[in-house]
Amino acid sequence: GAVVSQHPSRVICKSGTSVKIECRSLDFQATTMFWYRQFPKQSLMLMATSNEGSKATYEQGVEKDKFLINHASLTLSTLTVTSAHPEDSSFYICSARLAGNNEQFFGPGTRLTVL
Amino acid sequence: GDSVTQMEGPVTLSEEAFLTINCTYTATGYPSLFWYVQYPGEGLQLLLKATKADDKGSNKGFEATYRKETTSFHLEKGSVQVSDSAVYFCALNHQSGSARQLTFGSGTQLTVLP
Repeated sequence: GAVVSQHPSRVICKSGTSVKIECRSLDFQATTMFWYRQFPKQSLMLMATSNEGSKATYEQGVEKDKFLINHASLTLSTLTVTSAHPEDSSFYICSARLAGNNEQFFGPGTRLTVL
Repeated sequence: GDSVTQMEGPVTLSEEAFLTINCTYTATGYPSLFWYVQYPGEGLQLLLKATKADDKGSNKGFEATYRKETTSFHLEKGSVQVSDSAVYFCALNHQSGSARQLTFGSGTQLTVLP
């Protein structure tokens, strides 16, 4: 149980295009989902926290107009990187948490490469 | 703010060797502490956790003890296997606004050779 999937696992796009990454909780309802970014050989950095049906809370320094987060249902959150540039190339990881539970369950990550 | 400092890797060991990966933290209050493992091509999995001082988390032969006096949560295993090769992350969680969030260390790559 407690499986989180991400799609796509890998994406390559041209500079200036937008990319959408999906995060799904497959066998549980996630009231809260988190989006992280991980640079090579570095730690996971929290980008934003989203609660189902409400606006995401972004961490300091994360542009909310560039990284659009939608959490429209209890099993799906999406991250859209708008007008992507090479510096946005990174590994994006989502996690999901059950209501009343402290544990986060992580997706396998999405490798974004912007040319 | 809260932070986690983790032993830098990579770490390379022979099978059946003893493993220690150091982790220290800085936090206000009383966070819970975690070790996550990331196998190649997969997401992070919770390996073990401890929620209060002197608690010992254990799983799959791995252990870590929550030491408040030294603000540490070092990961140990008595005899590693090739299948333990992965990246290990130390983390703590803390309350921020309405959500409990995780702060991660930088990760330690472990390679176990047969």
